[in-house]
Order: sequence, then C-alpha cells, then structure tokens
Amino acid sequence: EPEVTQTPSHQVTQMGQEVILRCVPISNHLYFYWYRQILGQKVEFLVSFYNNEISEKSEIFDDQFSVERPDGSNFTLKIRSTKLEDSAMYFCASSEDRVLDTEAFFGQGTRLTVV
Amino acid sequence: DQQVKQNSPSLSVQEGRISILNCDYTNSMFDYFLWYKKYPAEGPTFLISISSIKDKNEDGRFTVFLNKSAKHLSLHIVPSQPGDSAVYFCAASAGGTSYGKLTFGQGTILTVHP
Repeated sequence: EPEVTQTPSHQVTQMGQEVILRCVPISNHLYFYWYRQILGQKVEFLVSFYNNEISEKSEIFDDQFSVERPDGSNFTLKIRSTKLEDSAMYFCASSEDRVLDTEAFFGQGTRLTVV
Repeated sequence: DQQVKQNSPSLSVQEGRISILNCDYTNSMFDYFLWYKKYPAEGPTFLISISSIKDKNEDGRFTVFLNKSAKHLSLHIVPSQPGDSAVYFCAASAGGTSYGKLTFGQGTILTVHP
C-alpha cells in the first residue's frame, strides 16, 4: 500500500540552528501538508502546498518556516533558526485532492527536539 | 483554539461492546468531518469521514453520525476489538474555503479490554 515516508524519524538540534525535515508524499497526490503536534497538545495545521506554491498557512507558519518541493518527489519543511518551542512531532501528509473529496494520508512523523 | 473539542480524554470499553466517541465543533464554516486513529510512534490513519449534507456514514464496524444543529458528531465502533485501542482524533475542514486545512480535536484514548 502506498505510504507517506518521512526522514529522519528523530532530529536533535541546537537552538538557533537550521533544520530540514523531509517527506516523500504518495506519488499521484497533488496536495501536500505539514502539521505538528507539541507533546500533550493537539495536532496543528502548519501549511498546505499545491501546484508548487503555498495554498494556505496558519499563524504558526511565520517567516522562520519555509516549504519546498525541490525535485518533484520530495517535500521539505525548513525551520531557519530553531527555538525551544519548535520541539514537536512534525507530520507530513498528502492527498489526491483537497481533503473535502479525499482523505489526507499522514507519514509516521519526525520528532524534532531543540536543545 | 477550541473550534473542535473532544471532551472525553479517555474511554474504556469491554471487547464486543460498542465504543462511542464524541466531538463538538463551533465553526459553522466546517462542512467536512473526519475521524483519524493514531497508534504511538505512528502518524494519524484515516478511518471514516462525513460531509455536512449527510447525517450518517457507515464503513464496516465504524459509523459516524453528524448532528449539524447541535454541531456534534460521534463515532460508533461495533463491536469493539482490542486492536481498536488507540487515540482517536476528530478533525474538521471548511472545504469550500480551505485548501485541505484540517482542524483537530485533542483526541480520545480508547482502551478496549479483552
């Protein structure tokens, strides 16, 4: 069964450093998303991406965040200067269409720990 | 942000019985609702969805009910099995105005005892 894969599964970084989280969405999907879940809190939407541009972003997704689909298969989330409060599980997801018509498939997550 | 609320942090059920998980929402723009299941160290897995034009949707042991006037939905699992033990998230989308943004509830931990 096709799946969304994320690497690495766990990333530890020092505060102020840049991190790139990587995702390979399902191959025929057109919509891509990043969500995060801070320990003990809700899963929160960060950004959606379609046709090589951001479709929608939340207030969490400020200037320190960026997304890219560099080569037609990978979908990356970059955090330019990490803060302690960026520590969370980051989930990538993809869907064939907007979620209204099809469900979003989630990856297993990358646990980001900022020290 | 309390637009989607799951008021029960946990639910414990005996194998073979019905599990009922509840979810309330406040945003009238939501018109598509989904339930996801999550095991530890895994991402959420889609279970079942319902559009606001319906009040019920079934898929095997899973049924979702939507009461738009009360802004309430529920997930029924019948019969419950030990393998159903997981965290269940309710999520909502304002489909017409949103490019796939899901708003999640806090989750309910379901434990099904053999």
